[in-house]
Amino acid sequence: NAGVTQTPKFQVLKTGQSMTLQCAQDMNHEYMSWYRQDPGMGLRLIHYSVGAGITDQGEVPNGYNVSRSTTEDFPLRLLSAAPSQTSVYFCASSRDGQWGTEAFFGQGTRLTVV
Amino acid sequence: DQQVKQNSPSLSVQEGRISILNCDYTNSMFDYFLWYKKYPAEGPTFLISISSIKDKNEDGRFTVFLNKSAKHLSLHIVPSQPGDSAVYFCAANSGGSNYKLTFGKGTLLTVNP
Repeated sequence: NAGVTQTPKFQVLKTGQSMTLQCAQDMNHEYMSWYRQDPGMGLRLIHYSVGAGITDQGEVPNGYNVSRSTTEDFPLRLLSAAPSQTSVYFCASSRDGQWGTEAFFGQGTRLTVV
Repeated sequence: DQQVKQNSPSLSVQEGRISILNCDYTNSMFDYFLWYKKYPAEGPTFLISISSIKDKNEDGRFTVFLNKSAKHLSLHIVPSQPGDSAVYFCAANSGGSNYKLTFGKGTLLTVNP
């Protein structure tokens, strides 16, 4: 079972470049989320999706776009990278939004914007 | 304004002893609390959770206690093992929305052999 797979694991971007962080899950989970983790900080929610075609903003959505065309995939797009977006990004998925179910996390993408 | 606070950035304990990690929250709407464990260069992995209708949940060596009136929860690990050395995150949500978690900053636990 692959679980939640994120690609790439590492990326260096120049300011102003765009890129897409990929996230795929093979557990048929309806709910998927993107978080970022900065040094000395907890994870903060960027965007989330409660099913194919449905997305919403989290706590820190500015500078990021998402879409959910399939149940399996939830890509995160940086339109014009800024040094403030240097962070470790985690994708998560869960079967449903109910109590007693857990969110599974990918291994993360470490992004540096220079 | 941090809604979930882990005020101890680090904790060091001896193997075999008890580890107690603490977490405070300010949002009264939170009704479900989780602990995640994270090793370097890996994603967080779920450890244990508790809903607001309970005050204790136990799973093997791990027990989480919830004090709603104090808006405080704690994770007890007994006995602590070197493999428990990791960063522990406290997280919370409301209304069963486990896809919208609010995390604390984490506590680095080091268990010394």
